[in-house]
Amino acid sequence: EVQLVESGGGLIQPGGSLRLSCAASGFTFSSYWMHWVRQASGKGLVWVSRINSNGSSRDYADFVKGRFTISRDNARNTLYLQMNSLRAEDAAVYFCVRVVGGDFDYWGQGTLVTVSS
Amino acid sequence: QSALTQPASVSGSPGQSITISCTGTGSDVGAYNYVSWYQQHPGKAPKRMIYDVSNRPSGVSNRFSGSKSGNTASLTISGLQAEDEADYYCSSYTSSSTYVFGTGTKVTVL
Repeated sequence: EVQLVESGGGLIQPGGSLRLSCAASGFTFSSYWMHWVRQASGKGLVWVSRINSNGSSRDYADFVKGRFTISRDNARNTLYLQMNSLRAEDAAVYFCVRVVGGDFDYWGQGTLVTVSS
Repeated sequence: QSALTQPASVSGSPGQSITISCTGTGSDVGAYNYVSWYQQHPGKAPKRMIYDVSNRPSGVSNRFSGSKSGNTASLTISGLQAEDEADYYCSSYTSSSTYVFGTGTKVTVL
């Protein structure tokens, strides 16, 4: 059974940093592109970033470029999102997602990031 | 990248059919067949219902179907049931090597 379990969310002050993790199991993690998608409270889904299977290719939404870094450790079956210079508008539930082409086929349950002083 | 445009809400009676549109541009929906649809119940993670425009994953009811014409994709739910009441989102790959989601549609079963 495919499982994606996010962790690392919490309350952080504006300007602070946070690193999210996503532990994957039930599939060959090193064979898949992985993505982060976020959803602010009461709002829609927003694509954040993706990384290819071996970590050599990464793409970001414009609003996180230069602030967020996606990475992965295939030996540990774990996806990461390093978030720096956090802003109030970054507050959201962050989902880890396995994607094949355009198919976001498996989603984690999400981890909540709250940005507030 | 602007969000794909969906109607804010769609409603129907049990047994009826409804269609949700998802309008993008020639740089996303119109350019690729990487259009997918997701169902999200309150407090839950999204669940994919349709991928690559019209493919239905195993386990998803055949009451759900997808199509695309030009820059607009559509999700049709036939034989509407109470359990279909949820938020629905479309997504597309873009020419910028990014992805974009739709604005979301709340489906209400009357």
